[in-house]
Amino acid sequence: EPEVTQTPSHQVTQMGQEVILRCVPISNHLYFYWYRQILGQKVEFLVSFYNNEISEKSEIFDDQFSVERPDGSNFTLKIRSTKLEDSAMYFCASGATGAPNEKLFFGSGTQLSVL
Amino acid sequence: KQEVTQIPAALSVPEGENLVLNCSFTDSAIYNLQWFRQDPGKGLTSLLLIQSSQREQTSGRLNASLDKSSGRSTLYIAASQPGDSATYLCAVSSARQLTFGSGTQLTVLP
Repeated sequence: EPEVTQTPSHQVTQMGQEVILRCVPISNHLYFYWYRQILGQKVEFLVSFYNNEISEKSEIFDDQFSVERPDGSNFTLKIRSTKLEDSAMYFCASGATGAPNEKLFFGSGTQLSVL
Repeated sequence: KQEVTQIPAALSVPEGENLVLNCSFTDSAIYNLQWFRQDPGKGLTSLLLIQSSQREQTSGRLNASLDKSSGRSTLYIAASQPGDSATYLCAVSSARQLTFGSGTQLTVLP
């Protein structure tokens, strides 16, 4: 089965620093997503992205977050000034068409620790 | 706002038992429901996806059912094995967002 690849698998940063989490979605997919899971909590939707624009975003996705598709293969999540509460596992996902009933493919996640 | 609840939060069974995990959701206007497996500190492995028009899906020892009108799904695991120990999450799709439950942590004892 095709895979979504996320790097790095673990990221440690100091509070206030900027981090960029990277994802390589499945090659012919058009819709991209970020979700996060704070330790012991539910997986939460952050943002969806299509055609180089944010399609939807949650309340969590405030001005410190941004997403970008800098080239034809990568999809990134930038956190501008990290806070302790940003510590979480961040999952990237992709979908072929963006149809609401399609299966999403998830990456293995980046564990972000903000100290 | 969609809410997804999973019961029980944790379950411990002896090897070989058949078991059922439950998932309920508050808004029946869903497109599909997906069951995932998550090992500690790891990613999400998709197990089964049921479209809103379907009643069940099977894969090996796993069978998932969906009753959309009552807002319920079950994941049935037959002949459980210690390797099945993990957290099982259900997620419902509405408007291109997945809403996840908090999971059932399953331990299968040898």
